[in-house]
Amino acid sequence: KAGVTQTPRYLIKTRGQQVTLSCSPISGHRSVSWYQQTPGQGLQFLFEYFSETQRNKGNFPGRFSGRQFSNSRSEMNVSTLELGDSALYLCASSLDGGGGETQYFGPGTRLLVL
Amino acid sequence: AQTVTQSQPEMSVQEAETVTLSCTYDTSESNYYLFWYKQPPSRQMILVIRQEAYKQQNATENRFSVNFQKAAKSFSLKISDSQLGDTAMYFCAFMKPLLSVDTGRRALTFGSGTRLQVQP
Repeated sequence: KAGVTQTPRYLIKTRGQQVTLSCSPISGHRSVSWYQQTPGQGLQFLFEYFSETQRNKGNFPGRFSGRQFSNSRSEMNVSTLELGDSALYLCASSLDGGGGETQYFGPGTRLLVL
Repeated sequence: AQTVTQSQPEMSVQEAETVTLSCTYDTSESNYYLFWYKQPPSRQMILVIRQEAYKQQNATENRFSVNFQKAAKSFSLKISDSQLGDTAMYFCAFMKPLLSVDTGRRALTFGSGTRLQVQP
């Protein structure tokens, strides 16, 4: 099976712009989670989607949003970008996000905000 | 809220030797899941090993094994016969049980990571 794919792999934006990142889960996986990785804050959970519904949300401002499509592909959007949003954004998929399921990670999208 | 602590920011080991990475966590849950993930330089994160807290037996995967001490809330990773390809950041992670009342039950909480360098 193909792994989790994320597009684009790299992005450069300026402050105030918005950005959309895409994630395609492993075939058959219906749960998609997003994480932000920065040198200062480490890896932090953003949100998790299952069956086109957001089931869990981390402690991030409303500028961070996401959605999931019927084919389980997911997008996350960051509006009004700030310098501190520069990070590696990781997507992870699992079968249904149930009890202790292993999450499989994509290669990430590296976002640089200037 | 649960926390995961990795007290060793960097470690170095000679090829073929054994190294142990430390991880402690804090939780009020009695059942939960623990993971070690590996993130090689510029490559994606992959699962190394997974442990269910209600299982007494320590998980093993080839050269990788854990020492799970539930009472001490400790979950260390031992890498035997270290190889150059083991050079990576290693993250310890915690996940709450599905029946947890907290909304974060499907989220991984990560430690700050340990950068492991395997020397030839």
